[in-house]
Amino acid sequence: EDKVVQSPLSLVVHEGDTVTLNCSYEVTNFRSLLWYKQEKKAPTFLFMLTSSGIEKKSGRLSSILDKKELFSILNITATQTGDSAVYLCVFISITSYGKLTFGQGTILTVHP
Amino acid sequence: IAGITQAPTSQILAAGRRMTLRCTQDMRHNAMYWYRQDLGLGLRLIHYSNTAGTTGKGEVPDGYSVSRANTDDFPLTLASAVPSQTSVYFCASSDILAGDQFFGPGTRLTVL
Repeated sequence: EDKVVQSPLSLVVHEGDTVTLNCSYEVTNFRSLLWYKQEKKAPTFLFMLTSSGIEKKSGRLSSILDKKELFSILNITATQTGDSAVYLCVFISITSYGKLTFGQGTILTVHP
Repeated sequence: IAGITQAPTSQILAAGRRMTLRCTQDMRHNAMYWYRQDLGLGLRLIHYSNTAGTTGKGEVPDGYSVSRANTDDFPLTLASAVPSQTSVYFCASSDILAGDQFFGPGTRLTVL
């Protein structure tokens, strides 16, 4: 059974700190790994990672995938209170387009 | 419409009643999905549709049905609601080749 595990489950930091969120997976037929940010409502898409070793960046956020060791990290530098959210790591398989496998999420709280 | 919409935003329903949650997207995405999100369990796939006219069961399909008569609409029906179906329901869509999903704003459903 495909499995995606995120750590830590929750994290509390102060503005300006740098955080690293982890995602490890045990899946078959790997296609892509996605990161989403969920605040009060629907998840919003952050990154899609398909190739190992290539860093994706968007402002203060960056992410990288290691297909050999089966993990991904999401880095947020110079955190702001607006970064407070649940961050979801999601796996897509090659053969099951509809079936995203979600990690349980990391709850990030950034205090002023 | 821009993106993906859901209706209603929230609903309180008596057990045993029938309820249809509506979802419409205007991005011409092939694939659409219904998820439920519960505390501690993350997002779980209920049903999906890879293209108009076809549907498939997800992780937790019991008690729910869907139809996909056209590309834009993907309603989710609870034939006879039960309290365990109290949840937040998210509809999502994707271009089946791209994989990353765009989520609707969610429907909060309470079954008493």
